[in-house]
Amino acid sequence: GDSVTQMEGPVTLSEEAFLTINCTYTATGYPSLFWYVQYPGEGLQLLLKATKADDKGSNKGFEATYRKETTSFHLEKGSVQVSDSAVYFCALSDPGNTDKLIFGTGTRLQVFP
Amino acid sequence: SQTIHQWPATLVQPVGSPLSLECTVEGTSNPNLYWYRQAAGRGLQLLFYSVGIGQISSEVPQNLSASRPQDRQFILSSKKLLLSDSGFYLCAWSVLRDTIYFGEGSWLTVV
Repeated sequence: GDSVTQMEGPVTLSEEAFLTINCTYTATGYPSLFWYVQYPGEGLQLLLKATKADDKGSNKGFEATYRKETTSFHLEKGSVQVSDSAVYFCALSDPGNTDKLIFGTGTRLQVFP
Repeated sequence: SQTIHQWPATLVQPVGSPLSLECTVEGTSNPNLYWYRQAAGRGLQLLFYSVGIGQISSEVPQNLSASRPQDRQFILSSKKLLLSDSGFYLCAWSVLRDTIYFGEGSWLTVV
């Protein structure tokens, strides 16, 4: 079945460091790909998405490119801030299957000043 | 604009007691509705999804059930809670081929 694999956390960085959180997927058909963020004590918020190969989603300085050849959707940010500390979830949605989201296990990011 | 409301926000229940978490969506019609659970230290697990009134699909066998009595209302229930039911429960909605939006979640602690 469809699945999403994320790198293990926590990821610990100093402020202004470069961030990469790896995400790879397995899916039949042509899924849409998402990154969601969960700040402490809150629900999930959509961070960015890409709906087809080579699309780049971006928001709040974060970027991810839909790579069909490597089945990846890695999240990057050039300079992280303390306020970026959160859990990040990679997910896929296959439009041919009721648009259910399948999530990775999440990666906790901790940014220190 | 569309909004999603989920309640209660926190809940502490004894083992063996019943559970009812409610979710309503405003500003859209015929949404897909979902219940997810996030157990401590683990990722998100899809529990139930619904494409219409009275239509419920269960993703995993468990102690919980879901109902959709109205188009924009989704209820998560249990007759007898287990310790393993503790976690963070998230209701979500989507319109076909669009993004899924989440409520703020409900923290359930079974003691």
